[in-house]
Amino acid sequence: EVQLVESGGGLVQPGRSLRLSCTTSGFTFGDYAMIWVRQAPGKGLNWVGFIRSKAFGGTIEYAPSVKGRFTISRDDSKSTAYLQMNSLKTEDTAVYYCARSILTEWVTPNDYWGQGTLVTVSS
Amino acid sequence: EIVMTQSPATLSVSPGERATLSCRASQSVSINLAWYQQNPGRAPRLLIYTTSTRATGVPARFSGSGSGTGFTLTISSLQSEDFAVYYCQQYNNWPYTFGQGTKLEIK
Repeated sequence: EVQLVESGGGLVQPGRSLRLSCTTSGFTFGDYAMIWVRQAPGKGLNWVGFIRSKAFGGTIEYAPSVKGRFTISRDDSKSTAYLQMNSLKTEDTAVYYCARSILTEWVTPNDYWGQGTLVTVSS
Repeated sequence: EIVMTQSPATLSVSPGERATLSCRASQSVSINLAWYQQNPGRAPRLLIYTTSTRATGVPARFSGSGSGTGFTLTISSLQSEDFAVYYCQQYNNWPYTFGQGTKLEIK
């Protein structure tokens, strides 16, 4: 059974950092792109970014709203993806989801998602 | 950035009836369009990709159509579990973008 579990969320002050993890099981993690999407309370879905598999160059892209502040990485030996968030702003408050691409050669769409982890940025 | 606009924002339909949800792109996305369903407090669920391909396990009452800038998600006979929020998403150009969502509610 494919499973994705996000962790690392919580309350953090503006300007501080937080690292989220997406721990997976049930599939060959290294074969798939992984994405991060966030959802502010009561709002819609927004892309954070993605990381391709090493077979497809390990390319990383970020949404303009987080570029330069957030870093996506992966550890295939641990079947885990990470989202390092620096210089956090109040508008980064959201539930953060990780998800797996539906096909190994694609980034999206995404068929398996974690349950999400809430990040609250507030003083 | 491609802007995805969904209409209507809220759609009220009775169980057993047909629902038609629309999604428009600010520029062509070819057929690189997906639909997701989301229930409160839950992660999104992939329904449709490449405009009209149902994801694994998605009932046949869900269908997608369109190309270029105009797309439609049709639910042929609404079941109680279908009342949720639906998002379209283009993946033709980075940054990939979601629509703002259509809330499908019970009439």
